[in-house]
Amino acid sequence: GAGVSQTPSNKVTEKGKYVELRCDPISGHTALYWYRQSLGQGPEFLIYFQGTGAADDSGLPNDRFFAVRPEGSVSTLKIQRTERGDSAVYLCASSLKQGAEAFFGQGTRLTVV
Amino acid sequence: DAKTTQPTSMDCAEGRAANLPCNHSTISGNEYVYWYRQIHSQGPQYIIHGLKNNETNEMASLIITEDRKSSTLILPHATLRDTAVYYCIVRVALSSNTGKLIFGQGTTLQVKP
Repeated sequence: GAGVSQTPSNKVTEKGKYVELRCDPISGHTALYWYRQSLGQGPEFLIYFQGTGAADDSGLPNDRFFAVRPEGSVSTLKIQRTERGDSAVYLCASSLKQGAEAFFGQGTRLTVV
Repeated sequence: DAKTTQPTSMDCAEGRAANLPCNHSTISGNEYVYWYRQIHSQGPQYIIHGLKNNETNEMASLIITEDRKSSTLILPHATLRDTAVYYCIVRVALSSNTGKLIFGQGTTLQVKP
């Protein structure tokens, strides 16, 4: 299957640690999005990449969160000094081009203990 | 992007049509209505979108009122696998739009045998 792949599917980390979450978008999709979903809530937009550049990072909650997409394909969401409030499912989506239908991955469930 | 209002939850009998309403009274002329659904422990899945005409695809039908202030997603023959949270989203669908989605709380549809 050539869907959006996210790894790991689950990640447990201790408060204060650094984590990286990976997203492999559908091949050829130029647009990539990261969302965060807390229990019982709808997904919340974090950041959008068009190619290699972050075109919209208005949803990143603070400077502990950072994302890269160096070659315009795989993206990594990085969280420094994790806090218990960062616990959530982190979803990645990609689309063929800006504004087109978005395809979501299964998400990474992050638990900060 | 315009705000949407959906009922928190709905039930539907298996095999019957599920009609999910959405109010978007502040929708602008260039904003489309999108529907996504999220089955438990999965990422959101695109269903359908429309501007002002009714739309139908293999998954569902979308009925938009003439004044475009509300719409209804119709699943013609609901199955147990249609149990999910359904999100109604309004946004501009232009190439200049980033394509980020603003999710609300959605409607939890429970299909019962």
